[in-house]
Amino acid sequence: RKEVEQDPGPFNVPEGATVAFNCTYSNSASQSFFWYRQDCRKEPKLLMSVYSSGNEDGRFTAQLNRASQYISLLIRDSKLSDSATYLCVVNRDSNYQLIWGAGTKLIIKP
Amino acid sequence: NAGVTQTPKFQVLKTGQSMTLQCAQDMNHNSMYWYRQDPGMGLRLIYYSASEGTTDKGEVPNGYNVSRLNKREFSLRLESAAPSQTSVYFCAASGYGTATDTQYFGPGTRLTVL
Repeated sequence: RKEVEQDPGPFNVPEGATVAFNCTYSNSASQSFFWYRQDCRKEPKLLMSVYSSGNEDGRFTAQLNRASQYISLLIRDSKLSDSATYLCVVNRDSNYQLIWGAGTKLIIKP
Repeated sequence: NAGVTQTPKFQVLKTGQSMTLQCAQDMNHNSMYWYRQDPGMGLRLIYYSASEGTTDKGEVPNGYNVSRLNKREFSLRLESAAPSQTSVYFCAASGYGTATDTQYFGPGTRLTVL
């Protein structure tokens, strides 16, 4: 089993719709969780950190479920510019090394 | 303020050739990283440098060496390139190398080994 697993997609979603995807992680000792965004042939960029209480940044909401060991990302009122690959990132144990999921590809259609 | 820069952007090597990938950051960050990204896989850590003067192996260090030349620069060397090293290489930097730090990435180097 991979340490961090994501549905590769692609998720094809009409503009304006709400889309959500999950990421599961295997290490119960992980403490830090992130969503990064990667545009085609570009570098990853931090989208948001994921806090235990959940957090929201504009149209984006991230949630953490420690009991089931997954994090989620919800995008409301999706825009064409949201088309990208979303990378789930988790730290390994108490080590600050990060484990990266392979990403979920999102395509927003007009 | 360029952030993290990498050179070259593209490179084609023949099996057995050597090369050095350069990375520099102007954010005054302490920690720097080298990752590789292959299709269908997450970023994998090759080497990292928690601070100037230190380097440590990551998940996939075989076939690579690194040098933390100073606080700004962190280079990755392939001594004898192999086709399995065909990949996209990203350099990243973060403030203190803690688990909560944001990592800032360079634009990547696309390497093909024939």
